[in-house]
Amino acid sequence: NAGVTQTPKFRVLKTGQSMTLLCAQDMNHEYMYWYRQDPGMGLRLIHYSVGEGTTAKGEVPDGYNVSRLKKQNFLLGLESAAPSQTSVYFCASSYAGANTGELFFGEGSRLTVL
Amino acid sequence: RKEVEQDPGPFNVPEGATVAFNCTYSNSASQSFFWYRQDCRKEPKLLMSVYSSGNEDGRFTAQLNRASQYISLLIRDSKLSDSATYLCVVKKKADKLIFGTGTRLQVFP
Repeated sequence: NAGVTQTPKFRVLKTGQSMTLLCAQDMNHEYMYWYRQDPGMGLRLIHYSVGEGTTAKGEVPDGYNVSRLKKQNFLLGLESAAPSQTSVYFCASSYAGANTGELFFGEGSRLTVL
Repeated sequence: RKEVEQDPGPFNVPEGATVAFNCTYSNSASQSFFWYRQDCRKEPKLLMSVYSSGNEDGRFTAQLNRASQYISLLIRDSKLSDSATYLCVVKKKADKLIFGTGTRLQVFP
């Protein structure tokens, strides 16, 4: 029962470095999302995808890029990391449109940018 | 003003107590409403949907008041295992869920 798997779980970067977070889901979900969670801010949507080959901006997309080359994978990239991107990143997936309100989340990736 | 607002707590209650959380939302066009639960350093998980007529799932009861734009979650007979952060979630339009910052509950023996 893998569900949604995120790698890596933890990462420390220096300002200006780049990295990619990988999200993989084995539930054949069409929709995938990347959120960040910060104290006092709640979960904020960075980018999302409604199907293979498609991506769209969420609430806080600046400084991030995404790709959905395969249905099961959704990659989040930081081209030039900044301390403001220190956060916990959650990937999620859902059946079409999250009509039931149920998003399936990965365990999170804790990123620290020094 | 945040689109979804919750009292951050913490609510500290003894086992067996009844506790209620409220959540307000600002967009009157919001379509659907949910409560998620998030354990410390874990991912959020759907607890229950909130229907206009109110709904119950065991010890948990959710209510929606569209006129006043608030949602509530009532937990009866609190258990130690109920200790978590409860996130209020509102669906604005297709595919977008807006999460509140959460209310932390701590149940003590």
